[in-house]
Amino acid sequence: DGGITQSPKYLFRKEGQNVTLSCEQNLNHDAMYWYRQDPGQGLRLIYYSQIVNDFQKGDIAEGYSVSREKKESFPLTVTSAQKNPTAFYLCASSMSDYSNQPQHFGDGTRLSIL
Amino acid sequence: AQSVAQPEDQVNVAEGNPLTVKCTYSVSGNPYLFWYVQYPNRGLQFLLKYITGDNLVKGSYGFEAEFNKSQTSFHLKKPSALVSDSALYFCAVESRDDYKLSFGAGTTVTVRA
Repeated sequence: DGGITQSPKYLFRKEGQNVTLSCEQNLNHDAMYWYRQDPGQGLRLIYYSQIVNDFQKGDIAEGYSVSREKKESFPLTVTSAQKNPTAFYLCASSMSDYSNQPQHFGDGTRLSIL
Repeated sequence: AQSVAQPEDQVNVAEGNPLTVKCTYSVSGNPYLFWYVQYPNRGLQFLLKYITGDNLVKGSYGFEAEFNKSQTSFHLKKPSALVSDSALYFCAVESRDDYKLSFGAGTTVTVRA
């Protein structure tokens, strides 16, 4: 089945530690996205990528970093500079960033602080 | 900048009754509008979208939405709700200027048996 796989499902971070969230898609989509979901706030865009080796900051990029070395993969690193990382992180993809195509979402990673 | 408002945090209905989840938006130019549903600890699932044309859009699982340009609204509706429709619903708008999605805060729907 085609889809988006996020791992791990649950992740715990210690103070001063960087952690990386994985996102892999086999939908052959060009565009990929990372969102942060907090209760009562909807989804906020962290980073997005329209094509391999290119990505742009979203609305809340501070304290996060990404890479897009392969079309299928768009990992997100939550750095120690992100002081409030506890949230539900969602990865999504779509056929193209410049279109009205719906985004397809993974099942998320829940990040907590130890 | 575009924005989306979902004025109701929660909607409670009895099974078999009509369900309406409200959404209003603000965007320059003509919008693309979407509805998504989220079940606990899962990602969002696409329900339907409005691009252009007929103001009444039909989507998955018996849901439909009505686009009203004068009221800048895109309310989600289902004629007869099911207990399994209980979930968190998000409205989203995509600007044709930058093609970025902006989400509302979400509305929790509870359908009681």
